[in-house]
Amino acid sequence: DAGVIQSPRHEVTEMGQEVTLRCKPISGHDYLFWYRQTMMRGLELLIYFNNNVPIDDSGMPEDRFSAKMPNASFSTLKIQPSEPRDSAVYFCASSAIPGQDYGYTFGSGTRLTVV
Amino acid sequence: DAKTTQPNSMESNEEEPVHLPCNHSTISGTDYIHWYRQLPSQGPEYVIHGLTSNVNNRMASLAIAEDRKSSTLILHRATLRDAAVYYCILKGRGNEKLTFGTGTRLTIIP
Repeated sequence: DAGVIQSPRHEVTEMGQEVTLRCKPISGHDYLFWYRQTMMRGLELLIYFNNNVPIDDSGMPEDRFSAKMPNASFSTLKIQPSEPRDSAVYFCASSAIPGQDYGYTFGSGTRLTVV
Repeated sequence: DAKTTQPNSMESNEEEPVHLPCNHSTISGTDYIHWYRQLPSQGPEYVIHGLTSNVNNRMASLAIAEDRKSSTLILHRATLRDAAVYYCILKGRGNEKLTFGTGTRLTIIP
């Protein structure tokens, strides 16, 4: 099992550009979560999906952020247009039965820098 | 979600046991106690979880107070690779969200 796979590992972009972060969950996991981590705010849940359907997006900071899960093996988090304050590490996590048995498995994250 | 309180930082000597405390005085009867850790430059990693009884796995032990208002994560023999931020999180049944606090930064002294 390769775990949760995120790409790219690092992304540097200019303010105003569109950024797309990608995540491949563990096969068979039916929950997928997107988190953001900054020094100031720590780890924040942005959105999560169950069986490819968005369940709670209350953590998405504003309309510039959008997330999709077109199938069980792929999800994207898009920022358009990007701003310097979006600089953070973005983590994707997946879970089978949500947290009750073996916990959530997190990816290695995408470090986003917006200049 | 009920809140947890952890010390900001702790230090321990290598090869000695480490006891990481967590207070959760407002825990409800259906809240599970979860522990995660985050090693430098990595994503969080599941450690252990429990409801009422003490739990053991290959990584750690979780001791839960009888009134469930506190718990302790026990690393039986700390190594340098255990240096991380440890998060204690309460998670209610039927609630899929994991809400992270600031955790305890554990430093292992060689």
